[in-house]
Amino acid sequence: KAGVTQTPRYLIKTRGQQVTLSCSPISGHRSVSWYQQTPGQGLQFLFEYFSETQRNKGNFPGRFSGRQFSNSRSEMNVSTLELGDSALYLCASSFQAGDYNEQFFGPGTRLTVL
Amino acid sequence: AQSVTQLGSHVSVSEGALVLLRCNYSSSVPPYLFWYVQYPNQGLQLLLKYTSAATLVKGINGFEAEFKKSETSFHLTKPSAHMSDAAEYFCAVRPFGNEKLTFGTGTRLTIIP
Repeated sequence: KAGVTQTPRYLIKTRGQQVTLSCSPISGHRSVSWYQQTPGQGLQFLFEYFSETQRNKGNFPGRFSGRQFSNSRSEMNVSTLELGDSALYLCASSFQAGDYNEQFFGPGTRLTVL
Repeated sequence: AQSVTQLGSHVSVSEGALVLLRCNYSSSVPPYLFWYVQYPNQGLQLLLKYTSAATLVKGINGFEAEFKKSETSFHLTKPSAHMSDAAEYFCAVRPFGNEKLTFGTGTRLTIIP
């Protein structure tokens, strides 16, 4: 079974631009979560989608948004990029919400904002 | 709110020596606890998880962790370190019925030949 895939793996943008990152979960998984990883702030939860609905949201500004499609694939968008948005963005998928549910992580998209 | 604290951002051990990575959690009720490992330029891989079934949890690659409610700890151990264990390790907590993982700041493990 293929793992979680994220595209692109690397991205360079300039301040003020917007960016869209994509995540394809493991086949059959319905929940997709997004995390931001930076040296200063560590791993922080962005949001989680389940069956095309956002169920949880972290403490990030409205410039960060996401969505999930009917095939469970998810995208996250960052508008008006700032230098501080440079980070590794990780996507994780799980079968469904549940106490014994395991999240599987993708390799991440490394975003550099110049 | 739930949180985890990892003591020691960098730990170095000799090959063959005991590995001990510390994690303490803060939660009003026993949460679900996880240890993840991250190798350079890769995502996170689950090492093991505590879900209240057993206090001593065995994971992959010879790692194990013991949940101690009285000490609010979930330390990760491995009896004998291997060069391939060099990586960053993250302790995480997750509340019931919620997919949001809250991570510790991570511990970078270096293995000395």
